Amino acid sequence: AQSVTQLDSQVPVFEEAPVELRCNYSSSVSVYLFWYVQYPNQGLQLLLKYLSGSTLVKGINGFEAEFNKSQTSFHLRKPSVHISDTAEYFCAVSDYNNNDMRFGAGTRLTVKP
Amino acid sequence: DTGVSQDPRHKITKRGQNVTFRCDPISEHNRLYWYRQTLGQGPEFLTYFQNEAQLEKSRLLSDRFSAERPKGSFSTLEIQRTEQGDSAMYLCASSIGLALTDTQYFGPGTRLTVL
Repeated sequence: AQSVTQLDSQVPVFEEAPVELRCNYSSSVSVYLFWYVQYPNQGLQLLLKYLSGSTLVKGINGFEAEFNKSQTSFHLRKPSVHISDTAEYFCAVSDYNNNDMRFGAGTRLTVKP
Repeated sequence: DTGVSQDPRHKITKRGQNVTFRCDPISEHNRLYWYRQTLGQGPEFLTYFQNEAQLEKSRLLSDRFSAERPKGSFSTLEIQRTEQGDSAMYLCASSIGLALTDTQYFGPGTRLTVL
């Protein structure tokens, strides 16, 4: 079965600095990969997803992620963060064999002024 | 498009009581998913419906849990004889298509506290 590991539980960063949130997955077959964001007291919202094709995926709010099959990673990046990016970020994976999506434990991004 | 709604938003109950949660998906969305999220963890898949048919259940869904989507619109999740370990946020999501690659839209969740 597929699984996801988010390597950092908390990432503090100053406003306008770049950020990378790390995600590694394991699966025996080809995968689909997702990043979701959860703002305080709100539901999860899709940031971006990788299905196939170009390994660099651009999402909403200036975020992007790169699928690296050899390193089984799907790290999320933003070149310059804002205070409003403070939230919990979840990486998720699904594959052709399963109808469920497996989420990582989440990374809490805190952007400081 | 009003989004996915869940009711209630919070539920406090005593151990042994039954509780029922409701999820209203986005109109015309075919698939409806239930997840459970405990503190410090990501959502865990519980079950999903395609229209009114329940197609898959996680092993996390013990016999005390039952879910329905009788007319292919709203869904209910019932927990019988609640235990303290059932305390969690219960999330509902819906998607318009039949593929897992279709974007799932999440509701705000129902937070259950079992005393």
